[in-house]
This record gives sequence, C-alpha cells and structure tokens, in this order.
Amino acid sequence: DIQMTQSPSSLSASVGDRVTITCRASQGISNSLAWYQQKPGKAPNLLLYAASRLESGVPSRFSGSGSGTDYTLTISSLQPEDFATYYCQHYYSTPPTFGQGTKVEIK
Amino acid sequence: QLQLQESGPGLVKPSETLSLTCTVSGVSISSTFYYWGWLRQPPGKGLEWIGTINYSGSTYYNPSLKSRVTISVDTSKNQFSLKLSSVTAADTAVYYCARRGNSGYDWFDSWGQGTLVTVSS
Repeated sequence: DIQMTQSPSSLSASVGDRVTITCRASQGISNSLAWYQQKPGKAPNLLLYAASRLESGVPSRFSGSGSGTDYTLTISSLQPEDFATYYCQHYYSTPPTFGQGTKVEIK
Repeated sequence: QLQLQESGPGLVKPSETLSLTCTVSGVSISSTFYYWGWLRQPPGKGLEWIGTINYSGSTYYNPSLKSRVTISVDTSKNQFSLKLSSVTAADTAVYYCARRGNSGYDWFDSWGQGTLVTVSS
C-alpha cells in the first residue's frame, strides 16, 4: 500500500492567515491526489482532486499543488468556517489510502 | 439533489457479521457514470477505504479486509450494502457510504452522514 504522511498533524492559525498543509506519498502518485475537509461529527467534504482541481462549489481560497510524491493544500486567507481537519487521499492504485489528518485550530 | 443515507444496527457482537445499507436518492444507482463505495473511520482516527461497487455488481475491495467483506447492489431499491464478517472491537467505527467521482478514479464527491457501529458483547 502507498503510505500518505501529512504535516503538520495540527496547527494553530488566525482568521486571515495563509495556511499550508503538506502531504507526502511513499511513492510517486502522478497527481492522483484528493483533499477533503472534515468538521466534527460530519462526513468528509471533497475540496480538490487531481491535486489541483477545485471541486464545484468550493471557495477559490483553497488551492492545491505538487507533483511526484509531494503535494500541498493552501488556504489563502483562513476563514472561521475553515477550522476543521483536512485529509489527503491518493487514488493512484488500489487500495486508495488517506493521510492521518491535519487539524486546523483557532489561535 | 444527491443524498446517501446509511442504515443498520449500531451494535454488533464480536464474531458476528456487520450489515449496513446505503439508500441513494436523487440519482439512479444504475447510472453507468458512477461507482459507489464504503469507507470507515474509527473514533478519533483517520479514514479507511473498504471497497467499491458499480451498478452491475462489479466490486473491488481493500486487500486488508477482502476476506471478510461483501458489497452488493440492489438497483430495484436504489441501494447498495456492506457485509463485514467476523467482526472484532477493531471494526468499531463510523461507516460512510459515498459516491465515487465520475472520472473513473477512487475519489469520493458525495458522502452519507455516517453511522456509528460499535462491536461489543
């Protein structure tokens, strides 16, 4: 299985901050990467796929980039509703696997 | 508007079989565009993909669970189901059903609200 490692595991930030979360795959995944947001007690919500393609309805302050084994999710200006846990997921091969999550908390 | 809703027992005894159903509304499960998946999340932990099925019943599973998992589809009821046999406490989790995106790849663009299944005697 491909292992996905996110960093940091948690971070504290203020409204308006630029936030970057990193996801590293144990082997190259050719941009086969999705990002999800999950709020407590709720299901994950797809933000991006193909590493950088924004899902319909997702605010443009979310963006993704990367290649090979290293990918990033950036929130350009953190909003109050963005405090949540974020997961990366590869779909390059079976089984698709997830990172362990990055919790974004209010500073 | 697409909606997915999980249903089934919230408590299962060790060694028994966990059975859940996902009812899909707003789109036909028989659509050739979409596949349908099950995922789970142990309390306080990360997400794990269990398996995926299409309208014709073609399935593929996580190798770590394959010996215990069966996913099936009932197009007449617009439902698909999960069975996980020989459960242990390690199978305690929130179970989600989800729609795979129509790109043909295993990312999931719509999710049910999830249902907590506890394995305990």
